[in-house]
Amino acid sequence: EIVLTQSPGTLSLSPGERATLSCRASQSVSGNYLAWYQQKPGQAPRLLIYGASSRATGIPDRFSGSGSGTDFTLTISRLEPEDFAVYYCQQYASSLTFGGGTKVEIK
Amino acid sequence: EVQLLESGGGLVQPGGSLRLSCEASGFTFSSYAMSWVRQAPGKGLEWVSSISSFSGSDGSTYYADSVKGRFTISRDNSKNTLYLQMNSLRAEDTAIYYCALSVPAAIVGSYYFDYWGQGTLVTVSS
Repeated sequence: EIVLTQSPGTLSLSPGERATLSCRASQSVSGNYLAWYQQKPGQAPRLLIYGASSRATGIPDRFSGSGSGTDFTLTISRLEPEDFAVYYCQQYASSLTFGGGTKVEIK
Repeated sequence: EVQLLESGGGLVQPGGSLRLSCEASGFTFSSYAMSWVRQAPGKGLEWVSSISSFSGSDGSTYYADSVKGRFTISRDNSKNTLYLQMNSLRAEDTAIYYCALSVPAAIVGSYYFDYWGQGTLVTVSS
């Protein structure tokens, strides 16, 4: 099973700042089959990125994904108030597993 | 507009059974794989099970090791409905269960989750 480790656990930033979230895999994720999701309190997760770098429908271009192999990154170029949430990565190259999440909170 | 509406959650005793349903609308249900993903209270996401589209592998099913042999995923394309039959429930199965429209990768049984329902809460407790 591929284990995904997300860091940091919590990121404290101000609106307008840049957020960089990391997702590290215990083994290489073939095909860059990695997705990112956003979840706000009391809501279902929402797909942001698939294939490591492709934005899902309707996702603003301030969200971008990058990386390959075992190291992946979600970047939010300028945080908007609605971006404060928990973010999860998920690999779908070998069974399906999620990372533990990164909470982006207002500083 | 894609809509997924889960139902069937509730309180059940350890060892008991429950069947969850997910009614889909806004897309051609039979053409898409579907999955269940759960989230224990205050915890992260855990994939539970997936079923391929009718036109794909004709209902091939996949399960997480934690539920294999206890849970059964199925679909009724005539009713646009996904199901999860859960037997031999344990306290650690307590979670919100989400159904999700699933997009396949080039690897059999591999999906990411494009649309999610709002979830139904299952509580396993005596």
